[in-house]
Amino acid sequence: GEDVEQSLFLSVREGDSSVINCTYTDSSSTYLYWYKQEPGAGLQLLTYIFSNMDMKQDQRLTVLLNKKDKHLSLRIADTQTGDSAIYFCAERDGQNFVFGPGTRLSVLP
Amino acid sequence: GAVVSQHPSRVICKSGTSVKIECRSLDFQATTMFWYRQFPKKSLMLMATSNEGSKATYEQGVEKDKFLINHASLTLSTLTVTSAHPEDSSFYICSATTQGIGTEAFFGQGTRLTVV
Repeated sequence: GEDVEQSLFLSVREGDSSVINCTYTDSSSTYLYWYKQEPGAGLQLLTYIFSNMDMKQDQRLTVLLNKKDKHLSLRIADTQTGDSAIYFCAERDGQNFVFGPGTRLSVLP
Repeated sequence: GAVVSQHPSRVICKSGTSVKIECRSLDFQATTMFWYRQFPKKSLMLMATSNEGSKATYEQGVEKDKFLINHASLTLSTLTVTSAHPEDSSFYICSATTQGIGTEAFFGQGTRLTVV
């Protein structure tokens, strides 16, 4: 079945850029997503990218998609302490979402 | 964006009792709702998919008699954990979508279930 992989932890200093990486297996995915989960909360959609795009930028967020390598990344510029959370990469398989394990981002002062 | 409301956000129940969790789409009609379970420091695992007016489709390994899902209307789905046990303690999240590939899914805020 489909599989989505992410590194589990990332630590950065406040003000630096964070880059969270994700690989997926389903080449037919039409959309790929990044969700943010703060402690004890549900998932918040950060951004998504259509599979025929290479890049999407939204304020501090930049998503890069390498469809050939099935690699997705999320870059957060000027990372703040409020960005500390778990970030999930997800691909869409029909109507179902397949999530990666999540990357726990810790922002150090 | 659209809002999905999940209730309750936290619930503590005794072993052997049943707990119902509600998932409502507040400003759109959700043709499909999903129920996920999240284990500590793990990703979300899809439990079941429910379409309005139909029986839910359960993922392999999920007991349908234990996790009863009802999707009686286009705005409400419920998950009932029957005869709960401590190992059912978890974070449960619902999501709702409208028809059409490419439409995003909207997630509820989750329910923390603790069975004592």
